[in-house]
Amino acid sequence: SQQGEEDPQALSIQEGENATMNCSYKTSINNLQWYRQNSGRGLVHLILIRSNEREKHSGRLRVTLDTSKKSSSLLITASRAADTASYFCAISGGSNYKLTFGKGTLLTVNP
Amino acid sequence: DTEVTQTPKHLVMGMTNKKSLKCEQHMGHRAMYWYKQKAKKPPELMFVYSYEKLSINESVPSRFSPECPNSSLLNLHLHALQPEDSALYLCASSQLGESYEQYFGPGTRLTVT
Repeated sequence: SQQGEEDPQALSIQEGENATMNCSYKTSINNLQWYRQNSGRGLVHLILIRSNEREKHSGRLRVTLDTSKKSSSLLITASRAADTASYFCAISGGSNYKLTFGKGTLLTVNP
Repeated sequence: DTEVTQTPKHLVMGMTNKKSLKCEQHMGHRAMYWYKQKAKKPPELMFVYSYEKLSINESVPSRFSPECPNSSLLNLHLHALQPEDSALYLCASSQLGESYEQYFGPGTRLTVT
């Protein structure tokens, strides 16, 4: 299966702390994407990292990709209560436009 | 405009009903997608349209029938659904190519009674 596997499944931190989520996958990829979903709502794209990239930043987000280990991590710095959401990694591979989502990490940021 | 809209927001239907979900985007994206998401699970791809033609059907039962009338609209026709089809149905769109993000709508919460 190409599905990504996030860990931890759930993470609870205090406001101001950093949150790190990991994603592992099994096959070769074109790119890996991270999305956020607030409860019962649509997904919001956070960041896309291509297979030939190792690190990307966007505001308080930092994503790393290690293709030799088939893993990626998402770091959210200085977390806020508004960051409370589910975070999914999604794998894109092959020549079609299919995204396969991991099981997700539920992040709770306590004020 | 980077918005994908979906109607209705909520839908309750009986197992003998016929209903349709609608999705619209005006970003000029030529790829559009339907996903199904059960509670506490990741989205699962159902269909992909590229250039208004069905390019991927993930072995979805025929009681779900997608339609792409033009480059901005995507419909999902529902008929004779089962209670286990109750879920959040998400529409998304993207540019064509291997490295583009998908833009998601807010979803339709479907309950089959």
